[in-house]
Amino acid sequence: QKEVEQNSGPLSVPEGAIASLNCTYSDRGSQSFFWYRQYSGKSPELIMFIYSNGDKEDGRFTAQLNKASQYVSLLIRDSQPSDSATYLCAVRDNQGGKLIFGQGTELSVKP
Amino acid sequence: GAGVSQSPSNKVTEKGKDVELRCDPISGHTALYWYRQSLGQGLEFLIYFQGNSAPDKSGLPSDRFSAERTGGSVSTLTIQRTQQEDSAVYLCASSRLSNPYNEQFFGPGTRLTVL
Repeated sequence: QKEVEQNSGPLSVPEGAIASLNCTYSDRGSQSFFWYRQYSGKSPELIMFIYSNGDKEDGRFTAQLNKASQYVSLLIRDSQPSDSATYLCAVRDNQGGKLIFGQGTELSVKP
Repeated sequence: GAGVSQSPSNKVTEKGKDVELRCDPISGHTALYWYRQSLGQGLEFLIYFQGNSAPDKSGLPSDRFSAERTGGSVSTLTIQRTQQEDSAVYLCASSRLSNPYNEQFFGPGTRLTVL
């Protein structure tokens, strides 16, 4: 059973701080990793995609991947109240590409 | 360009009725995925299409659930004899290709309520 684990939170950070979201996965052969943001009552929105070890930056978002430790994280710099949402970590299955999701981490950014 | 679209956005049905949910993927995307999101259950995979064929149906919870895709485009998920435990948000996603290096984009979902 392939698993993806996330802390459910809620994670609360003050506005302007760095929010750090973590995710571990069980399948050592996994190759690609995704972070989705989901606002309440909305569908998941893709914010980051990473498949190489190291860091990938896009605006205020940085994804970090460590395949040896089977760990992927998302950093949000200069957090804003509008970043308050549930963040879903997903690992793509190598056979056909279905996504295996963690339970999500609820982030709250306080003004 | 247009994203993934789904219809209806909301569906309320009575226990025992059949329902059909529709997904229209992003143009040119060959892979299409159905997921379900229930309270307390997270997002779970149901079925995947590559073109019109379904190589992976492993997530369908029972034989009351079926899906098809025609013309390599629109897909329909059918739930027969609905049960209350089928109540969930049904999400469709598409991807240009099915290999691991392609992003999946989600539609807005269909919220199904079985009374």
